[in-house]
Amino acid sequence: QVQLQQSGPGLVKPSQILSLTCAISGDSVSSDTAWHWIRQSPSRGLEWLGRTFYKSNFYTDYAVSVRSRITINVDSSGNQFSLHLNSMTPEDTAVYYCARGAAVPGFDSWGQGVLVTVSS
Amino acid sequence: QPVLTQPPSESGAPGQRVTMSCSGRSANIGSNIVYWYQQVPGTAPKLLIYNNNQRPSGVPDRFSGSKSGTSASLAVSGLRSEDEADYYCAAWDDSRSGPVFGGGTKLTVL
Repeated sequence: QVQLQQSGPGLVKPSQILSLTCAISGDSVSSDTAWHWIRQSPSRGLEWLGRTFYKSNFYTDYAVSVRSRITINVDSSGNQFSLHLNSMTPEDTAVYYCARGAAVPGFDSWGQGVLVTVSS
Repeated sequence: QPVLTQPPSESGAPGQRVTMSCSGRSANIGSNIVYWYQQVPGTAPKLLIYNNNQRPSGVPDRFSGSKSGTSASLAVSGLRSEDEADYYCAAWDDSRSGPVFGGGTKLTVL
């Protein structure tokens, strides 16, 4: 059974970069599926941020709303993937989740979520 | 600013049947598969329905999904207290090249 364990800071200052990691157990980051980042806030609801998937190489796909600020990286040896979101503003305050799903938006496993607050 | 429209709340007594709606447009529900999630406050969403009406292993058959045109619905029959949660619909949106979600319906078991 796949488990996703998230780690990262709960507080980020405005204009700084958010970095979160999702460690995978029970599956491989290079298996035939995709790995996603999703966030949830009272003002914006559930919002898909992007995904990475392996098809001979690793590829990424980002939501238009954050495309200029987001990077998703993969650490194959560590079997984990990460989210980097720069130029953070208070509007980016949300619970951030990682998730697995081959069909979008069919996310069948989720991390525990990390509440990220953007404040000075 | 959720793209899919859901009523903010629904309620029913134990044992009753409740239906929750999800309204979209041709670019999302009208041409793509609908998914439903259940979220107990403080926890991550859980996939409840995929492919419009399929249940993942472990989801009781009291939960059923359907789709017609640009709308979808989730029905819960034989309501139980543990069904009290927030329910979200989701679908791919061709115009956004990404998935979109509803704002969620809070289900209260009276």
